[in-house]
Amino acid sequence: DAGVIQSPRHEVTEMGQEVTLRCKPISGHNSLFWYRQTMMRGLELLIYFNNNVPIDDSGMPEDRFSAKMPNASFSTLKIQPSEPRDSAVYFCASTLPPASTGELFFGEGSRLTVL
Amino acid sequence: GDSVTQMEGPVTLSEEAFLTINCTYTATGYPSLFWYVQYPGEGLQLLLKATKADDKGSNKGFEATYRKETTSFHLEKGSVQVSDSAVYFCALGGGSEKLVFGKGTKLTVNP
Repeated sequence: DAGVIQSPRHEVTEMGQEVTLRCKPISGHNSLFWYRQTMMRGLELLIYFNNNVPIDDSGMPEDRFSAKMPNASFSTLKIQPSEPRDSAVYFCASTLPPASTGELFFGEGSRLTVL
Repeated sequence: GDSVTQMEGPVTLSEEAFLTINCTYTATGYPSLFWYVQYPGEGLQLLLKATKADDKGSNKGFEATYRKETTSFHLEKGSVQVSDSAVYFCALGGGSEKLVFGKGTKLTVNP
């Protein structure tokens, strides 16, 4: 079975540009999480969905960030406009709920560099 | 709120050395505890877990025991290999859907 698939693996863009990161969760998983990883702040949960519905977006840093899950097999994380401080590795993870007792399956990440 | 504290890294060991990475937690109720591992250039993957007090999780020679009295879940391995070089994350699953992760400990094993 395919794991969590993220694209692009690497993105280099200039400040002010729009960035869209994509995620395909494992089939049958109905919880999806977006994380951001930086050296300074470690792993931060940005938002998570259950059954395509955003449940907790308290980790989304500001209005420049938005996430959608239009169906069970696809999610996007959008940054508009991007800033250099958004440079990080963004991970998508999926699981069968409840995540608190189960196993999160992570994608390989999207490394974003904003110049 | 729930939180996880793990030892600061980086940790550098020689092959076949004994490894301990400390992890303590703060939580209400009876959380599940996890260790995740991140190899270079990859996402995190579950290494082991324990769902109740005194449970021992084990995998690939790694072990951790859920100690409620000391609120700890320390990761140990008797003899590390170069291939164990990675970042290790302790995590807690409480009442919500979210896992709470520690900041990670980078391990480098030299031949």
